[in-house]
Order: sequence, then structure tokens, then C-alpha cells
Amino acid sequence: NAGVTQTPKFQVLKTGQSMTLQCAQDMNHEYMSWYRQDPGMGLRLIHYSVGAGITDQGEVPNGYNVSRSTTEDFPLRLLSAAPSQTSVYFCASSPNSLAPTDTQYFGPGTRLTVL
Amino acid sequence: AQSVAQPEDQVNVAEGNPLTVKCTYSVSGNPYLFWYVQYPNRGLQFLLKYITGDNLVKGSYGFEAEFNKSQTSFHLKKPSALVSDSALYFCAVRDQAGTALIFGKGTTLSVSS
Repeated sequence: NAGVTQTPKFQVLKTGQSMTLQCAQDMNHEYMSWYRQDPGMGLRLIHYSVGAGITDQGEVPNGYNVSRSTTEDFPLRLLSAAPSQTSVYFCASSPNSLAPTDTQYFGPGTRLTVL
Repeated sequence: AQSVAQPEDQVNVAEGNPLTVKCTYSVSGNPYLFWYVQYPNRGLQFLLKYITGDNLVKGSYGFEAEFNKSQTSFHLKKPSALVSDSALYFCAVRDQAGTALIFGKGTTLSVSS
């Protein structure tokens, strides 16, 4: 199993541009999520999904959209990039939706810079 | 609301010495606690978790964590540190709805030879 994969690894955008960060997992996990990591702030939840066709907002959803058309894929879309979205983005998955004891497994991350 | 605190931004230890990375938590209901490690320019790797039962949890790479309900703590420990343990360590608690991990700010562990 490849686990959780993310592309691209690095991206530089100009303010106002849009892009999609890709995330895929091959473990048939129900739950997938996106976090952003900022220095001194730990990781914060952006959006999550408990299964195909179901998504919901996390702590910091503004400026981001998600969709989940398949179990495997959970892309994150930046509609109009802003410098405040400069961050490292991590995708994560866990086997069962809303099971608080499940371990979440993280992808390698995407480092995004918005100029 | 759930929260996690890691009171030390950095911990410095010499190789071969024991190490402790501190974590305290605040939850309503049962605490489900996790430790992750992040090596430079890498993703987060799961180390261990506490769900219920034995207060001493053993995990990957020789790490263990001690759950203390009265002190609401979940400190990460290792008897003998290695230089290769140098990394950023995160403590996290799963929210009661199961929707998210609530992370601490992270502690940088530096092990000198």
C-alpha cells in the first residue's frame, strides 16, 4: 500500500490564483481530512469527509472547498489564493468515520507559498 | 472544548539520557490521546495512542507515554535518547465527535551527541 499520497510537494502561487491540492489513499478508509500547519500553531482542521459524497467544515474552512466523489480521493481547492494561505497542508485518513479511537495516517504534505 | 498544551517549545537532551516531552489535556468525556513525530520536511508519523486500560502505553521506536488522569497529562518518554530522535513532536486529542484531532503546538526535541 502507498498509504496517503499528496501532490504536488511544493507549489508557488500568486495572489488570486486558484489551484487544487490532490490527496489519495489506497487503504479503503472512510474518513479523510485536510489540516494546515503553521509555525507555533500546531495543525488545524480545514475540512473533513466521513465518506463519499459527505463533507463538512473544520476549524479554518474559509477560502477552501472540498469534494469527495470517491472513497480514495479528497482534493482541496483554493478558490482565490491569499498570502494568509501560505502554509504546509496535510491530508490524513482513518479507517472508520467518526470513531474517536481510530489512528489517523498522514500524507507527506504540500508546501504552499502565496506571493 | 477539548484542548492540548505542550508547555515546552524545545527540549534538549544528551544522547543516552532519558527524555520526556510533556503534554497536558483538557477534555469532556473520555480522553483519546495520541503522539505523532515529524522529521524535517516530512509528514507526521504515528507513535502511540492511549484509549483505555494500562496507563503506560508503548509505541514505536522505543517510545512510551504515561497517562495520568488526576494530572490530566500524557507525557512522552524514552529511556535512552538517540540523535536520530531529534524531531518535532505533537501531542493530540481526538474530539468527542470523532471529527478531528486537536493538536498541541509541538515540541522540538534536540538530542546532542
